[in-house]
Amino acid sequence: EDKVVQSPLSLVVHEGDTVTLNCSYEVTNFRSLLWYKQEKKAPTFLFMLTSSGIEKKSGRLSSILDKKELSSILNITATQTGDSAIYLCAVLGNTGTASKLTFGTGTRLQVTL
Amino acid sequence: DTGVSQNPRHKITKRGQNVTFRCDPISEHNRLYWYRQTLGQGPEFLTYFQNEAQLEKSRLLSDRFSAERPKGSFSTLEIQRTEQGDSAMYLCASSLALGGGTDTQYFGPGTRLTVL
Repeated sequence: EDKVVQSPLSLVVHEGDTVTLNCSYEVTNFRSLLWYKQEKKAPTFLFMLTSSGIEKKSGRLSSILDKKELSSILNITATQTGDSAIYLCAVLGNTGTASKLTFGTGTRLQVTL
Repeated sequence: DTGVSQNPRHKITKRGQNVTFRCDPISEHNRLYWYRQTLGQGPEFLTYFQNEAQLEKSRLLSDRFSAERPKGSFSTLEIQRTEQGDSAMYLCASSLALGGGTDTQYFGPGTRLTVL
């Protein structure tokens, strides 16, 4: 069964700090790894990673995939209070006709002033 | 707003009642997914459609749950004889699959179900 583990489970930092969130996975027929940000509503898409070693960046957020280590990290630099959210990692596996996401439990990030 | 929409946003029901949720995907997205999320957990896959065909159902989806996507557009998820354990956020997502299996799923705001 596909499995995604995220660490840490929760994190409290001061505004301006840099944080690194971790995701490791076991999945049949890996297709891609996705990061989502979830505040009070639905997960909003951040990144999709399919190839090892290629960093994706969006403003202060960046992410990279290591397919050899079956893991990914999400970095947030110069954190702001608006970054407070749950960050979800998910892997897209493909078994037969399915194309489903398996999510981790998330990392709850709180950024304080 | 051209994102995924879901209705209702909140539903409170008594145990044993039937409920139905609706999801309208992003226009022209051919894949539609249902997930369930409970407090402190990530979303869990329930079922998925490619156009109007339901291609996979999780074992989480008991026989009290049924989903449809007539005409390959909106979808409904019905829960019959609700139980307190059904209380959760029900999330819908859609994607445009062009082949290669790397379609990005975009989520709706969810329907929060509370079963009393």
